[in-house]
Amino acid sequence: SQQGEEDPQALSIQEGENATMNCSYKTSINNLQWYRQNSGRGLVHLILIRSNEREKHSGRLRVTLDTSKKSSSLLITASRAADTASYFCATALYNFNKFYFGSGTKLNVKP
Amino acid sequence: EPEVTQTPSHQVTQMGQEVILRCVPISNHLYFYWYRQILGQKVEFLVSFYNNEISEKSEIFDDQFSVERPDGSNFTLKIRSTKLEDSAMYFCASSALQNTQYFGPGTRLTVL
Repeated sequence: SQQGEEDPQALSIQEGENATMNCSYKTSINNLQWYRQNSGRGLVHLILIRSNEREKHSGRLRVTLDTSKKSSSLLITASRAADTASYFCATALYNFNKFYFGSGTKLNVKP
Repeated sequence: EPEVTQTPSHQVTQMGQEVILRCVPISNHLYFYWYRQILGQKVEFLVSFYNNEISEKSEIFDDQFSVERPDGSNFTLKIRSTKLEDSAMYFCASSALQNTQYFGPGTRLTVL
């Protein structure tokens, strides 16, 4: 299966701390994207990183991609209670016809 | 900012009934997708659609499922004869060529 797998499955931190989530996948990809999902709601796109990129920033988010290890990490700096959500990585193959989602990391940021 | 919309937000149906879930993708996007998420589980790919035909479908997308773009704006998912296990959130997504997929808010389907 191509599906990405995130770890940890759950992460609980205090507001102001950094949160790091990891994603691993199995085959070559075109790009990898991170999404956030608040409980029972839709998927919100956070950031896309292409296979030829190693690091990308967007506000308090930092994503890295290591294609040799087939892994990516999402760092949220200075976390806020509003960051509480599930975070998913999704990988797109070169035909770009579908995304494979991982199981997600459930982040709880305590105020 | 343009967004993907889905209707209805919640659909309740009896087992064996047909349901049609509707989506309005972002207007200049070319690729359209349906995914589903059973409660507490992963988001699973169902089907992708480009140039008025299915590009790829998963093993979940059997003969009970069909997709259609009946006009220039709507993209629909039809389940012909619903089963209990079809209960899930169904997400529509759209993307421009080789770009980010933008997801709608989802339709929660409950099959009784």
